[in-house]
Amino acid sequence: ILNVEQSPQSLHVQEGDSTNFTCSFPSSNFYALHWYRWETAKSPEALFVMTLNGDEKKKGRISATLNTKEGYSYLYIKGSQPEDSATYLCAFYTGTASKLTFGTGTRLQVTL
Amino acid sequence: DGGITQSPKYLFRKEGQNVTLSCEQNLNHDAMYWYRQDPGQGLRLIYYSQIVNDFQKGDIAEGYSVSREKKESFPLTVTSAQKNPTAFYLCASSILDWDTQYFGPGTRLTVL
Repeated sequence: ILNVEQSPQSLHVQEGDSTNFTCSFPSSNFYALHWYRWETAKSPEALFVMTLNGDEKKKGRISATLNTKEGYSYLYIKGSQPEDSATYLCAFYTGTASKLTFGTGTRLQVTL
Repeated sequence: DGGITQSPKYLFRKEGQNVTLSCEQNLNHDAMYWYRQDPGQGLRLIYYSQIVNDFQKGDIAEGYSVSREKKESFPLTVTSAQKNPTAFYLCASSILDWDTQYFGPGTRLTVL
């Protein structure tokens, strides 16, 4: 069973703070790395799908980087807002398993 | 509007009864998935289907069954053999098996 680890487990920041989370995954047989945002009472929503080593993706104040050789991805949020409060999930896809394996998520809470 | 629907939102059943959770998508996606979420755990894959009339077991398939008779529908049956059925169940779909997954709103099943 593939292991995808996310840290920290939870995070509490103030409005305006910038923050980042880590997703660690096996570096062998890499195919794709996903990031999802899951707000309370809503469905998980895709943020990024990254496939190439060195990939950097950006969506508004949120960005992500990927290092497939060492098996990690960072998600950054610049100037956190209360609406950023959610659980952020990463998921790893390997072509040999043909399915996504999810981490347990980082729960972010942004307060005023 | 295109999307994934799951019904019902909340479901209560007595122990020993089979129950079927509905998942329908109008995104014309070939691949569909069922996940289970328990407190403190990541999404765990129950079953997935990459094409009509074909499906594969995920990591925790015991006590569950699925069918894929139509492209848009992927119902999940929780049988009496599932030892701990109380959980939150999410259905998802994607165009390609490595690509972005689109999630339904989920069904919370409680077995009394």
